[in-house]
Amino acid sequence: SAVISQKPSRDICQRGTSLTIQCQVDSQVTMMFWYRQQPGQSLTLIATANQGSEATYESGFVIDKFPISRPNLTFSTLTVSNMSPEDSSIYLCSVELGGGETQYFGPGTRLLVL
Amino acid sequence: AQSVTQLGSHVSVSEGALVLLRCNYSSSVPPYLFWYVQYPNQGLQLLLKYTSAATLVKGINGFEAEFKKSETSFHLTKPSAHMSDAAEYFCAVSDPPRNIIQGAQKLVFGQGTRLTINP
Repeated sequence: SAVISQKPSRDICQRGTSLTIQCQVDSQVTMMFWYRQQPGQSLTLIATANQGSEATYESGFVIDKFPISRPNLTFSTLTVSNMSPEDSSIYLCSVELGGGETQYFGPGTRLLVL
Repeated sequence: AQSVTQLGSHVSVSEGALVLLRCNYSSSVPPYLFWYVQYPNQGLQLLLKYTSAATLVKGINGFEAEFKKSETSFHLTKPSAHMSDAAEYFCAVSDPPRNIIQGAQKLVFGQGTRLTINP
């Protein structure tokens, strides 16, 4: 497996502001994923981020709301823009390891929007 | 489209009793299947995975799961529950990687099952 860290671990934000979440991995990985876990619910994929290419967004998620950067093989950021209380969730990054079989998850960023 | 159904949003067992968490999937291709566990205020930890090898898969912490194609199921079991097993458990499905370059396919998660252990 790999050591995956996320910053911040939690935050409380005001509506209308933006928050950038960082995901750092201790080894080089090709694919990184960003998921959202709304309160009491399961995980939903926001987008897939490959180094050197534009992120691929899932239905219902758009780049203007969730811009993603992937500057190198160990790092990615997800920005939650123009936040509303509905954006209150846990945001998790994951990386692919094991020859394309398995995703391993970071600890998550717990976001509360007031 | 793929989907996962976890039967029972809450399961409660006594310490030392059998744990059975149910997962049924729908997939148009032979799937990869995963069980993840989420402890309070933590991220997801991989328990075990099925990737087209042995149908009975053993994972960490004494858990195992059996892939049954005829039943489209991947139920998670543990013979004897421990207090530390209390957590949220997620079953997930993905397509196999199309190739090494493309890598992993996206995970589709079930709704989760909250496991409570009674002393």
